[in-house]
Amino acid sequence: NAGVTQTPKFQVLKTGQSMTLQCAQDMNHEYMSWYRQDPGMGLRLIHYSVGAGITDQGEVPNGYNVSRSTTEDFPLRLLSAAPSQTSVYFCASKLPRGGEQYFGPGTRLTVT
Amino acid sequence: SQKIEQNSEALNIQEGKTATLTCNYTNYSPAYLQWYRQDPGRGPVFLLLIRENEKEKRKERLKVTFDTTLKQSLFHITASQPADSATYLCALVLQTGANNLFFGTGTRLTVIP
Repeated sequence: NAGVTQTPKFQVLKTGQSMTLQCAQDMNHEYMSWYRQDPGMGLRLIHYSVGAGITDQGEVPNGYNVSRSTTEDFPLRLLSAAPSQTSVYFCASKLPRGGEQYFGPGTRLTVT
Repeated sequence: SQKIEQNSEALNIQEGKTATLTCNYTNYSPAYLQWYRQDPGRGPVFLLLIRENEKEKRKERLKVTFDTTLKQSLFHITASQPADSATYLCALVLQTGANNLFFGTGTRLTVIP
């Protein structure tokens, strides 16, 4: 079991560029989510999905798109990167209801 | 507005003592409260979960209490060790909706040998 995997680990973008952060899990979890973590702000929910074909917005969705075509994969797209999107991004999946959440190792993104 | 506050950004404690971390919340109705550990450069790792109708949960040297009247959870690490040094995050899972987790900002614990 690889758990939750994310690529890349580090990325530097210029303002206006686009990119996709990849996330995959091999635990057959229906629920997956994306967070960003900034100093002093904690983890904030960007988007989440409760199953293939179903996605919804979290607390800070602006500037990000997601899709969920399979149970395993949940990519996060930045359409036009801005310096405010400089952050560490975590993908996670979890068991139903209040179950524990499994996090990936994170992607450190810098937008210049 | 909704808030989840953890008592302090940083807590230093002597090895062997009990570390107590606090998580307070306002304007949430959680069904569950969870605690996670995060080491530098890594993703959070689940430690413990407590339900709204439970007062206390234990796992080895860890103990969590949950008081829905005070809207507070306490997280204790007994006989603390330098290896316990990390950032600890509390998270609420709400009673309604998609069971999303909402996180506090964390407390960085340092256990001094």
